[in-house]
Amino acid sequence: DAGVIQSPRHEVTEMGQEVTLRCKPISGHDYLFWYRQTMMRGLELLIYFNNNVPIDDSGMPEDRFSAKMPNASFSTLKIQPSEPRDSAVYFCASSTGKGSGRNSPLHFGNGTRLTVT
Amino acid sequence: KNEVEQSPQNLTAQEGEFITINCSYSVGISALHWLQQHPGGGIVSLFMLSSGKKKHGRLIATINIQEKHSSLHITASHPRDSAVYICAASEYGNKLVFGAGTILRVKS
Repeated sequence: DAGVIQSPRHEVTEMGQEVTLRCKPISGHDYLFWYRQTMMRGLELLIYFNNNVPIDDSGMPEDRFSAKMPNASFSTLKIQPSEPRDSAVYFCASSTGKGSGRNSPLHFGNGTRLTVT
Repeated sequence: KNEVEQSPQNLTAQEGEFITINCSYSVGISALHWLQQHPGGGIVSLFMLSSGKKKHGRLIATINIQEKHSSLHITASHPRDSAVYICAASEYGNKLVFGAGTILRVKS
């Protein structure tokens, strides 16, 4: 089991550029979550998917942020245009709810550290 | 007021000491998660519980639903336990509300 795989590990970009973060969840997991971690606000849920369908995107800060999950093994989080205040560590996590939304342990990726200059 | 509050914010202990980290929440929950984040940044799920007590090695997690309170205990602490410990409440399904974290440093 390779775990949740995120790429890239680090991303440095200039303000105004488009940034795409990628995530491969654990095979068989039907929930996928995108979180953002900053010193000021800690961990925050941005959006989560169940069976590739976005369920709750109320944490997405602005229209500049978008997330997709075209299939069960891949998701992207895109920021366009990026701003310095988007600098943070972005985590992807997956879990299995067996289709019922029941609680189950989360498995986190190693995160992508984004710096926008 | 945050929906999930942890205490203490920082904790320094000597190797071998018994450690307790507390978590109080104000939301109705279906489960309470304890996470560990090491200096390298990776996050690991330690426990998920909705009642009673769970134990894994030297780690013990308890929850009191009526008092809306959970504790994480570490017995015989070791420097490798140094990390940030995060409590998170699941209001429904796996939508988590996170505490600010407790920074633990265990000195040898």
